Amino acid sequence: SQTIHQWPATLVQPVGSPLSLECTVEGTSNPNLYWYRQAAGRGLQLLFYSVGIGQISSEVPQNLSASRPQDRQFILSSKKLLLSDSGFYLCAWTRDGFSPLHFGNGTRLTVT
Amino acid sequence: AQTVTQSQPEMSVQEAETVTLSCTYDTSESDYYLFWYKQPPSRQMILVIRQEAYKQQNATENRFSVNFQKAAKSFSLKISDSQLGDAAMYFCAYRSASSGGSNYKLTFGKGTLLTVNP
Repeated sequence: SQTIHQWPATLVQPVGSPLSLECTVEGTSNPNLYWYRQAAGRGLQLLFYSVGIGQISSEVPQNLSASRPQDRQFILSSKKLLLSDSGFYLCAWTRDGFSPLHFGNGTRLTVT
Repeated sequence: AQTVTQSQPEMSVQEAETVTLSCTYDTSESDYYLFWYKQPPSRQMILVIRQEAYKQQNATENRFSVNFQKAAKSFSLKISDSQLGDAAMYFCAYRSASSGGSNYKLTFGKGTLLTVNP
């Protein structure tokens, strides 16, 4: 069966510090991968998606970047965090257009 | 671009009663998928139910059912015999049926917070 792992679960970082959130999928190959952000009391906003190794598409221009160094690994990064980067970050994957998105457990990021 | 609107920020229901959560969407496409996800306090996103736009029959999963009105672009979720464990944020989501990874992304509404009263 397929599983998705996302870490860390919680992170508190000062403004201006770097960020690295990691997501890995097991039990499948060539998944479509996604990073979503959920601000307090709001819906999910798509940040990045990837259809293959090294292929990253950005939905919202911002202070964040994403990379996919391996088939089942998806990384969300920032060189310098802003207060506005605080939120709940969710990684997700899907096999195809019919299958639902499967989500990781999320990372709660607080920028102080 | 597709948009998904959930007009009810909060809803409440008595245990064992029925509640309906509303969702409307805007699209120019004829083929697409619709989903309802549940996010309990743990914040894990859990798929509740999905509907293919080309199917006229409304999807059903145990106590959960949808009322899909394609012409009206409406996709409501009905929860029957509500249980305390149903308390959560519920998100409606849209996906294009076009092929390609970029179109596999989900567009979400802002959510409806459901409270179940004992």
